Amino acid sequence: DGGITQSPKYLFRKEGQNVTLSCEQNLNHDAMYWYRQDPGQGLRLIYYSQIVNDFQKGDIAEGYSVSREKKESFPLTVTSAQKNPTAFYLCASSTWTGSYEQYFGPGTRLTVT
Amino acid sequence: AQSVAQPEDQVNVAEGNPLTVKCTYSVSGNPYLFWYVQYPNRGLQFLLKYITGDNLVKGSYGFEAEFNKSQTSFHLKKPSALVSDSALYFCAVREETGNQFYFGTGTSLTVIP
Repeated sequence: DGGITQSPKYLFRKEGQNVTLSCEQNLNHDAMYWYRQDPGQGLRLIYYSQIVNDFQKGDIAEGYSVSREKKESFPLTVTSAQKNPTAFYLCASSTWTGSYEQYFGPGTRLTVT
Repeated sequence: AQSVAQPEDQVNVAEGNPLTVKCTYSVSGNPYLFWYVQYPNRGLQFLLKYITGDNLVKGSYGFEAEFNKSQTSFHLKKPSALVSDSALYFCAVREETGNQFYFGTGTSLTVIP
């Protein structure tokens, strides 16, 4: 999980509440990513960011929002508009282009009831 | 469109036997190929990557992978499986000039004692 922290590890919320997941990296990477993982579906890209104050929607951005005010931080907000928010959320970072791999955080398991 | 296929959801192998986890990919340019491993409720850990050069790449924990351009495959291999290798394995691809990673749906490997 080197260099990327996500908090909290487990999060419980009531339906209708917004919730923010934290992601911090100290790898000096320009790019950061948020993925959602559901059983049998692999990783699906929610949002990604190349530089500070810029981010792009991924494949499943509806019901989510992000910010990138600092290079080290890329928080994800799961809004009440997300129809099925219960999932395992993974944050990752990498160099923006090139042959470099992504580094992943330990993940946050969100349960909404 | 870029994509990755892992045709087997589940692979079972006896301890001590060789293992193979299959991956095929589709990209429009030269691919950068990656393998990751995930243990339960954890983030993804990088195993190895192919960028250029020798088609057989070696990675962490005794794993290796063979790049086959004509078959657009990048199968993960290990000569002798350990029970501790039991985990979820993901193949990923990134274009040489691209900025996104594309993941397969994962293969669950079980090594039977």
